[in-house]
Amino acid sequence: EVQLVESGGGVVRPGGSLRLSCVASGFSFNDYGMSWVRQAPGKGLEWVSGINWDGASTHYLDSVKGRFTISRDNAKNSLYLQMNSLRPDDTALYYCVRRRYLGTHYYFDYWGQGTLVPVSS
Amino acid sequence: QSALTQPASVSGSPGQSITISCTETSSDVGDYNYVSWYQQHPGKAPKLMIYDVSERPSGVSNRFSGSKSGNTASLTISGLQAEDEADYYCCSYADSGVFEGVFGGGTKLTVL
Repeated sequence: EVQLVESGGGVVRPGGSLRLSCVASGFSFNDYGMSWVRQAPGKGLEWVSGINWDGASTHYLDSVKGRFTISRDNAKNSLYLQMNSLRPDDTALYYCVRRRYLGTHYYFDYWGQGTLVPVSS
Repeated sequence: QSALTQPASVSGSPGQSITISCTETSSDVGDYNYVSWYQQHPGKAPKLMIYDVSERPSGVSNRFSGSKSGNTASLTISGLQAEDEADYYCCSYADSGVFEGVFGGGTKLTVL
């Protein structure tokens, strides 16, 4: 059974930093690209960042470029999101998401339960 | 303002069919053939329901179907059931690259 378990969330002050982690199990982690998708309270989904299977290619939402860094450790089946210079509008539930090739493209086929990051003074 | 526009809400009675639209409203969206749909129940993680516009992943009920005409994709749920009450999000990809997902604003489905 595919499982994605996020951790590392918590209240942080504006300008602060936080590192999110996601441990994967039930599949061959190093065969898949991964992403982080967030959801502000009562709002919709927003893709934040993505990384390919070996970490050589990373991608970011414009509003987090230069502040967030995605990385992975395939030996530990783990995905990370280092978040610096946090702002109140970064407040959200952050989901760890598997990216799988289905049909003719890549899609987000498994999601963790999320870790909450409230940014508040 | 999302590049993919969905109605805020739709409703239907048990047994009926409903359709949720998702219209590409920005050139920021890439090839609009790669449309997916996600179902999210309150307090739960999203679930992939449709990919490649109209394909269902294994295990998804055939009451869910997808289609596209021009710049509007649609999700149809037939034989509506109480358990279908949830938020639904369409998703495509940004013109800037195949990693950058773009989600619609979401549609709340109420089963009357």
